[in-house]
Amino acid sequence: EVQVVESGGGLVQPGGSLRLSCAASGFTFTNYWMTWIRQAPGKGLEFLANINQDGSVKNYADSVKGRFTISRDNAKNSLYLQMNSLRAEDMAVYYCATDVRGGYFEYWGQGTLVTVSS
Amino acid sequence: EIVLTQSPATLSLSPGERATLSCRASQSVNNYLAWYQQKPGQAPRLLIDDASNRATGIPARFSGSGSGTDFTLTISSLEPEDFAVYYCQQRSNWRTFGQGTKVEIK
Repeated sequence: EVQVVESGGGLVQPGGSLRLSCAASGFTFTNYWMTWIRQAPGKGLEFLANINQDGSVKNYADSVKGRFTISRDNAKNSLYLQMNSLRAEDMAVYYCATDVRGGYFEYWGQGTLVTVSS
Repeated sequence: EIVLTQSPATLSLSPGERATLSCRASQSVNNYLAWYQQKPGQAPRLLIDDASNRATGIPARFSGSGSGTDFTLTISSLEPEDFAVYYCQQRSNWRTFGQGTKVEIK
């Protein structure tokens, strides 16, 4: 059974940092591009970043470029998102997903909530 | 950035009725368009990719059509579990989502 489980969300002050993790199982993790997507409360979906199978290619949305870093550890079947200089507008549920067939999102986790507030 | 505009924002229908959702792109995305379903408190679920290909396990009542800038998701006969928010998403140029259409019970 495919499982994608995010963790690491929580309350952080503006300007603070947080590291999200995503543990994958039930599929061959090293075969997949992986992606982070977020959804602000009551809002739509925003693609943030993706990373290729060996971690050599990373792409970022302008809204997070220079502040967020995506990485993966294939030995641990895990994906990460290091978030620095957090702002109120970064408050959202953050999803990890597989990025398939050139840019569709097939397997999703349940999401982890990041709250940015003083 | 390619902007996807979905209409209507809300669709009020009864079970058994046909639902027709629209997604318009600000420039051509060829057929590189997907549809997702999201229920409250859940992650989105991929329904359709490349405009018309149903994802694994998706019932045949869901169908997608279109190419270029105009796309349609059709649910032929609404089941109770189909009431949800639906998003379109393009992969032609980066990845962007539409703002969503809520299908609610009338």
